[in-house]
Amino acid sequence: AQKVTQAQTEISVVEKEDVTLDCVYETRDTTYYLFWYKQPPSGELVFLIRRNSFDEQNEISGRYSWNFQKSTSSFNFTITASQVVDSAVYFCAPLGDEKLTFGTGTRLTIIP
Amino acid sequence: DTAVSQTPKYLVTQMGNDKSIKCEQNLGHDTMYWYKQDSKKFLKIMFSYNNKELIINETVPNRFSPKSPDKAHLNLHINSLELGDSAVYFCASSRRTGVLIGRNTEAFFGQGTRLTVV
Repeated sequence: AQKVTQAQTEISVVEKEDVTLDCVYETRDTTYYLFWYKQPPSGELVFLIRRNSFDEQNEISGRYSWNFQKSTSSFNFTITASQVVDSAVYFCAPLGDEKLTFGTGTRLTIIP
Repeated sequence: DTAVSQTPKYLVTQMGNDKSIKCEQNLGHDTMYWYKQDSKKFLKIMFSYNNKELIINETVPNRFSPKSPDKAHLNLHINSLELGDSAVYFCASSRRTGVLIGRNTEAFFGQGTRLTVV
C-alpha cells in the first residue's frame, strides 16, 4: 500500500517569495506514478502534474517546478515568485493499487 | 463543457434520510471513483469502478451504495444518513492505460458535493 507524508501542515509566505512544498512517499512498487493536486478556496481539485518513477528528470512548468528524488522517496514542489492566486491546499498523491492515496495536504497562504 | 460534473453541489438533509449524488464524465474515461474529504481536508477513496465493474470498496459502511449504469456515470446513494456522513464527496474519473504498472492516467475531479447532515 502507498503512504505519503506532507510534513508541512501550513505555510505562509509573502507574495513574490519562492516556496517549496515537501512530499515523502512510501511504496512497495518498483515503478509507480506520483501526482500533485491543488485545491483552491473554491474547493475543486485541480491536477497539476503526473510523474512516473522511472523518469527522474526535474520538471518545470512556468513558475512551478518539481524535484523528484527516488533515492529519498521525495517529490517536492516549488513555486517561484509566488502569487496570491497560489493560495490553496496542495496534495501529493502516489498512485498504486488502482487508486490515488492522498497526503494530508499543505495549506499555502500567500500574503499580499 | 464540464469534464466531470456532480449534482448537487450542496446537499443539506436530516439524519435518517436517504439521498443520492450523481456524477457524469464526458472524457471517455473507463474508470470512475468516489472520494470523501472530511473537515480536516483528508481525502480518502471510497469506491472505484472500471467499465461498470466494482474494483475498490474501501471499508465503507453498506449504507453507501454506488451504482454505475454505464462507463460515463457513477452515482452514490446513501441510506439512513448520519451526522458523521457530513463531508465533501468528490467524483473523479481516469483512463486505464492497460500497462502493468501505473495502470491509470491522472484522475480528473468533479467540483465536489458538500453534504451536511443535521
